[in-house]
Amino acid sequence: DQQVKQNSPSLSVQEGRISILNCDYTNSMFDYFLWYKKYPAEGPTFLISISSIKDKNEDGRFTVFLNKSAKHLSLHIVPSQPGDSAVYFCAASAGGTSYGKLTFGQGTILTVHP
Amino acid sequence: DGGITQSPKYLFRKEGQNVTLSCEQNLNHDAMYWYRQDPGQGLRLIYYSQIVNDFQKGDIAEGYSVSREKKESFPLTVTSAQKNPTAFYLCASTSGRAGTGELFFGEGSRLTVL
Repeated sequence: DQQVKQNSPSLSVQEGRISILNCDYTNSMFDYFLWYKKYPAEGPTFLISISSIKDKNEDGRFTVFLNKSAKHLSLHIVPSQPGDSAVYFCAASAGGTSYGKLTFGQGTILTVHP
Repeated sequence: DGGITQSPKYLFRKEGQNVTLSCEQNLNHDAMYWYRQDPGQGLRLIYYSQIVNDFQKGDIAEGYSVSREKKESFPLTVTSAQKNPTAFYLCASTSGRAGTGELFFGEGSRLTVL
């Protein structure tokens, strides 16, 4: 039972354009969502998060949108840079004492071409 | 510098052998976690500990054991009962502030069973 799904295994984008990574979830108890970036043979690093009380959170070139009715979130990267090439995981938490118990999607490999 | 240190980075094991992966953090975080990553899959939670001398099973705890005798340390033992132990293992920690869930990850340990 995949509670968090990233249906696109890979995404290829030209430098300077927008990258949009998508994530769907099924568990209505999730109330906090995060995006992590991961390079090969390294641990993931936190990128941006959003609470379920918001529908948008922005941090520099990164914006996360949350559509609770559709149980969908997306990560926008504008403008995309070659250094953004990595695997991106979305993750969800049910909050409360479940902090840190994240349910991860399968990941999307983003390639940004110069 | 504060962070999470995992060792060894690469480990080879013969079938039937137990192996222990080390995880140490100097972030003064209360909660620590072990995740496993397999190719094409998201991270899956093995065990977690929110306080010293206490730990809980995650989604895939079978064949694994942990201890939490010190706040800084959360070693994971992969036992011979684990049917498919070859994977990338990630240790993480969080301050435990409710409503956040942001995890700090180590660099990972790659275990290969020969």
